[in-house]
Amino acid sequence: QQPVQSPQAVILREGEDAVINCSSSKALYSVHWYRQKHGEAPIFLMILLKGGEQKGHDKISASFNEKKQQSSLYLTASQLSYSGTYFCGTVSGSARQLTFGSGTQLTVLP
Amino acid sequence: GAVVSQHPSRVICKSGTSVKIECRSLDFQATTMFWYRQFPKQSLMLMATSNEGSKATYEQGVEKDKFLINHASLTLSTLTVTSAHPEDSSFYICSARFQGSLNYGYTFGSGTRLTVV
Repeated sequence: QQPVQSPQAVILREGEDAVINCSSSKALYSVHWYRQKHGEAPIFLMILLKGGEQKGHDKISASFNEKKQQSSLYLTASQLSYSGTYFCGTVSGSARQLTFGSGTQLTVLP
Repeated sequence: GAVVSQHPSRVICKSGTSVKIECRSLDFQATTMFWYRQFPKQSLMLMATSNEGSKATYEQGVEKDKFLINHASLTLSTLTVTSAHPEDSSFYICSARFQGSLNYGYTFGSGTRLTVV
């Protein structure tokens, strides 16, 4: 089953913060985050492998609550380049298929 | 490292014809590749898992006779859309899982925009 993301869309001004949530009905063993620009392949942001883990890259960070089967992506002081659609991904199956969440469209305005 | 090359990037074909999309891992061996389809403003939906030297595994609802997958070598997987119809118009992306010494992840091809007219 596909992880559910919220919000579906968010519009913010340059410099503002945003939080994107990812929730799964199945147990999560790892969470992946990607950003996709229109017509392009998804770009890897980060992986969280353990419950309680938090990671950060530049001004983008994420947390993973294994018990709640949730992950959140935090974008701080957003830049125009942050615009795109963000997907979380969960891994399952013997072939370790990556299943993408429903997506969150982020638009950063000047 | 872990680069996947996908061709063609765009293709327009007539209804009823077949289209082949290639996905190559350039600097690593991919025993397993994944094929996704993405309709406008929707998420990437896994279509099938391609296994080198064996039959592909298709997700529920994906017609295996329509979407033929061949994974004849450790670096090449192909997806053939047979008897294409306008509803098959979509963005198709391949992916491979890579394992590095410090991390692992999934790398993606650049995608193929298929338009069936």
